[in-house]
Amino acid sequence: DTAVSQTPKYLVTQMGNDKSIKCEQNLGHDTMYWYKQDSKKFLKIMFSYNNKELIINETVPNRFSPKSPDKAHLNLHINSLELGDSAVYFCASSQDRSTSGAFFGQGTRLTVV
Amino acid sequence: GQNIDQPTEMTATEGAIVQINCTYQTSGFNGLFWYQQHAGEAPTFLSYNVLDGLEEKGRFSSFLSRSKGYSYLLLKELQMKDSASYLCAVYNTDKLIFGTGTRLQVFP
Repeated sequence: DTAVSQTPKYLVTQMGNDKSIKCEQNLGHDTMYWYKQDSKKFLKIMFSYNNKELIINETVPNRFSPKSPDKAHLNLHINSLELGDSAVYFCASSQDRSTSGAFFGQGTRLTVV
Repeated sequence: GQNIDQPTEMTATEGAIVQINCTYQTSGFNGLFWYQQHAGEAPTFLSYNVLDGLEEKGRFSSFLSRSKGYSYLLLKELQMKDSASYLCAVYNTDKLIFGTGTRLQVFP
């Protein structure tokens, strides 16, 4: 069983469209994250949720709206996609103060054309 | 502000030893992690340090000095499959913040 799974793996879409990326973890972790990895491979945190509650929003444009229906799911909806949104988006989960850090999903490569 | 710095790229030869450094300045500290990321794949956990000193795990070791805001990852007996990016990350109160990553290329 995949610990953290996100779909889709690849997403190609036109500017101005709205798209969603889904993430699910079966590890029983309390905290879930969304990270954006740009072309320079820098992994930047976007959001963090703990038990369905938003605890971190790292000055991400409000076109990005995360939703956590329960602590095992954290979805990311993006409105009015722009060229600069092209990146790989990683979902991750962790248990508070865990010594194993965060477990990452396989990533979603978003290309906006 | 939060800063986590690593060299951008390093090269080494198969069988050699390489040390990847990481310096950090963060408002909080609850541990430092090293991750490995192969091209096109997700980061995977390598090591965790929360106390000063060296943690050894097979061919990989990680060192931490909290007073200096410094860590390194030591890779011994390098293999071609070790060519990847190595990410230093600090657990700061309630979030995991990543450094810029070091791309390591291992040559035969």
